[in-house]
Amino acid sequence: GAVVSQHPSWVICKSGTSVKIECRSLDFQATTMFWYRQFPKQSLMLMATSNEGSKATYEQGVEKDKFLINHASLTLSTLTVTSAHPEDSSFYICSAYSLYNEQFFGPGTRLTVL
Amino acid sequence: AQKVTQAQTEISVVEKEDVTLDCVYETRDTTYYLFWYKQPPSGELVFLIRRNSFDEQNEISGRYSWNFQKSTSSFNFTITASQVVDSAVYFCALSEPLNDYKLSFGAGTTVTVRA
Repeated sequence: GAVVSQHPSWVICKSGTSVKIECRSLDFQATTMFWYRQFPKQSLMLMATSNEGSKATYEQGVEKDKFLINHASLTLSTLTVTSAHPEDSSFYICSAYSLYNEQFFGPGTRLTVL
Repeated sequence: AQKVTQAQTEISVVEKEDVTLDCVYETRDTTYYLFWYKQPPSGELVFLIRRNSFDEQNEISGRYSWNFQKSTSSFNFTITASQVVDSAVYFCALSEPLNDYKLSFGAGTTVTVRA
């Protein structure tokens, strides 16, 4: 099956700093990628849809100025959490959408903001 | 409104018991896809199955089986002869054209298999 990687797998940062998370499709091209957030013991919540070459589409309630998404190529999307605060601590998961209507998930990035 | 309902929050069984996870969905589309994912403690989502709305055949894969009933909008998942390695959170999800094929996840069911 297709492989999606995320980097870093975990990150700890100080409050007020920005953190960038990368999502890569390793063996296929993905015009669309998705970013999810998962709080402890909760389900995955879609944050935004990332489209190559255009602006991301954010779900209701997600601050686009806080969660910057850049889909610079067909294999890479990045999520930058700007001015992170402790309430942004979460598990962030990306997925890449293949041509065959399948989503392949990355392993996730655990963000802890002190 | 919740599109996917997993009514069972937690299920605990002893090894070798069967366990069935319920999933009820809601959609106005006639074409849609249903999924089950496993999330072990490591956090990585493991794809288990995808079923399109036109295929109501039940499926068996090893100890896993799925029962799709359009009449009741349910897509239940059974683990037969459970093992400790089956301990995880299991998510049911729905993908529909009206929602640009985005995945809507249920709340998840935590399965604990005790030795």
